[in-house]
Amino acid sequence: QVHLVESGGGVVQPGGSLRLSCEASGFTFNSFGMHWVRQAPGKGLEWVAFIRYDGTSEYYADSVKGRFTISRDNSKNTLYLQMKTLRTEDTAVYYCAKDRYAMILRSFDDWGQGTLVSVSS
Amino acid sequence: QSVLTQPPSVSAAPGQKVTISCSGRRSNIGNEFVSWYQQLPGTAPKLLIYDNNKRPSGIPDRFSGSKSATSATLGITGLQTGDEADYYCGTWDSDLNTWVFGGGTKLTVL
Repeated sequence: QVHLVESGGGVVQPGGSLRLSCEASGFTFNSFGMHWVRQAPGKGLEWVAFIRYDGTSEYYADSVKGRFTISRDNSKNTLYLQMKTLRTEDTAVYYCAKDRYAMILRSFDDWGQGTLVSVSS
Repeated sequence: QSVLTQPPSVSAAPGQKVTISCSGRRSNIGNEFVSWYQQLPGTAPKLLIYDNNKRPSGIPDRFSGSKSATSATLGITGLQTGDEADYYCGTWDSDLNTWVFGGGTKLTVL
């Protein structure tokens, strides 16, 4: 059974940094692409970033490009999201999600429970 | 303003059928696979439909997906009160080089 557990959320001031983690279990982590998706309070889903199974390629939403970096450590079955220069509009619940495939963005088969990031002064 | 357009809300009585539309363009729905997600109140989203019309194991056949040209549709039959949730469509956009979600549709089972 796939299990994804996010951590690292919290309150941070505008301009600050935060690193989210997502520990994966129940599947062969190094065989699947992984995503970060966020949801602002009371709003819809917004895709944030994707990384291929081997970490060799990444894709980002325009809203976070240049500020956020997705990475993975396949030896630790862990996905990361390094967030810098945070803005108030980055306030959201951040979910990690497993793709159905290794190299392409196709569908979000499994989701974690989410971690809340609040950017506020 | 979402790239994919969904109705903000739909409603129907228990036992009835409802459809939720998702409208896009050639660069996304027209040339890519669509997936659908259900988000029950206070919970993480869950995959309902992938590759336009396939159901993951464990998803009842009351849920169905279809696609025609630049639009996709989620169908739910035999509505239950437990189906009350937000529903999102999503796909890759080859012009934007990003994944896009619809704005979401709130289903109310009256």
